[in-house]
Parts: sequence; C-alpha cells; structure tokens
Amino acid sequence: QVQLVESGGGVVQPGGSLRLSCTTSGFTFSTYGMHWVRQAPGKGLEWVALIWFDGSVQYYADSVEGRFTVSRDNSKKTLYLQVNSLRVEDTAVYYCARDARGDVYDTMDVWGQGTTVTVSS
Amino acid sequence: DIQMTQSPSSLSASVGDRVTITCRASQTISSYLNWYQQKAGKAPKLLIYAASRLQSGVPSRFTGSGSGTHFTLTIDSLQPEDFATYYCQQSYRTLWTFGQGSKVEI
Repeated sequence: QVQLVESGGGVVQPGGSLRLSCTTSGFTFSTYGMHWVRQAPGKGLEWVALIWFDGSVQYYADSVEGRFTVSRDNSKKTLYLQVNSLRVEDTAVYYCARDARGDVYDTMDVWGQGTTVTVSS
Repeated sequence: DIQMTQSPSSLSASVGDRVTITCRASQTISSYLNWYQQKAGKAPKLLIYAASRLQSGVPSRFTGSGSGTHFTLTIDSLQPEDFATYYCQQSYRTLWTFGQGSKVEI
C-alpha cells in the first residue's frame, strides 16, 4: 500500500539546521509532486512547500522562503526538506504529503505520520 | 495570499446529529477546495476534494458543496469516529492555505 514515512526531526537550537526525509513506497514516486505541511503545537495546519514530480520547480510559504529547501531523489523514492536558520516558531510536526491533481482539482491525498522539530535553547 | 475562514471554530454535537461547517475564501477559488479530517495525534486525512468529490473509502455521510468563495462540509448522522478537527484548504493559488480548523466535540 502507499506509505510515506518521515524522519530526521529532533531538538535543535535557534539558528540551527536539520534535514528532514520522507521515504515513500507503494506508488511511482517519480510521477507525483510532493508537499511539506507543518503543525505547531496546538495550532492548525500550515502548508510549507511543494516540489514538482521531476524536482524542476519548487514553491514555498512566505514564512520559510529563503531558509527552507525542498528537494527529492527519485532514484531513492525520497523527499527532503532542508531547514536552516531555525526559529522558535518553526517548532512543529512536519508532514509530507503526496500531490494528486486532475482537470479541476489539486489535493494532498496521502500523508505521512509526521516528524517533530523542536527549536529551543 | 488567499485567506480561508472557517466557522464555527468549534461545536458540540451528539451522535446522530447533522453537522455543517462553513469555509469562506478571501477571493474566488473556483472549486479548488479540499476538506481534511484530523484526529488528535494523527495525520490529516483527505475527505473531500474539488469541493464536492468524495475521496475513495470515505463514508457517504460526508458531503461537500460550494464554489467561488463559499463552501460547506456536511456530516449526516454524526458517528462516534467523526469527532475530530476539520480543515478546509484552497489549491487555486500555488501558495496553498488552510482554514483555521473546526473542532467537532461531543
């Protein structure tokens, strides 16, 4: 079955960096765009980034533009999120999700279970 | 950015009730509107996409409607497993945005 498994979260000091990974299985990874979405403790969902199926185009939320970089390795069926210059407000559960689109829709149809990033001194 | 506003932010309901959640967009988004369900400590789950299309495997008691700027999610005959937080999300503009969530409580 389709599976997305995030890893790489942890506790980091302000200004620090991490690389999050999303390992996938059960579908043809190289034909799907992929998203990162985060959720701060007790808060709602915030879309973070999108990368096209071939990695050629990336989009970012204003709140992370210039600090986060989304990438992928289609040979390893893995999505990445490099998070730099971390701030306390970046503390959240980070989810990866598969992009599914058609003629009149674009959605996130499969989600991982999330990895937790805590930014604290 | 397109702002998404849900109402109510929370509601109390009983098993068997009909529940309606509203989502409004700050500008027209055609039918590029998705609904997700999230239970405590779990990942979100897609319920409805393209405003009214039911995701495979989702019970038919969930229905979505609307287009433009006004959308609704209706749950007919609320079941115990439906107590959760529901989010709308627009995918009309690439900088996707979510509503703030609507928590359905017992």
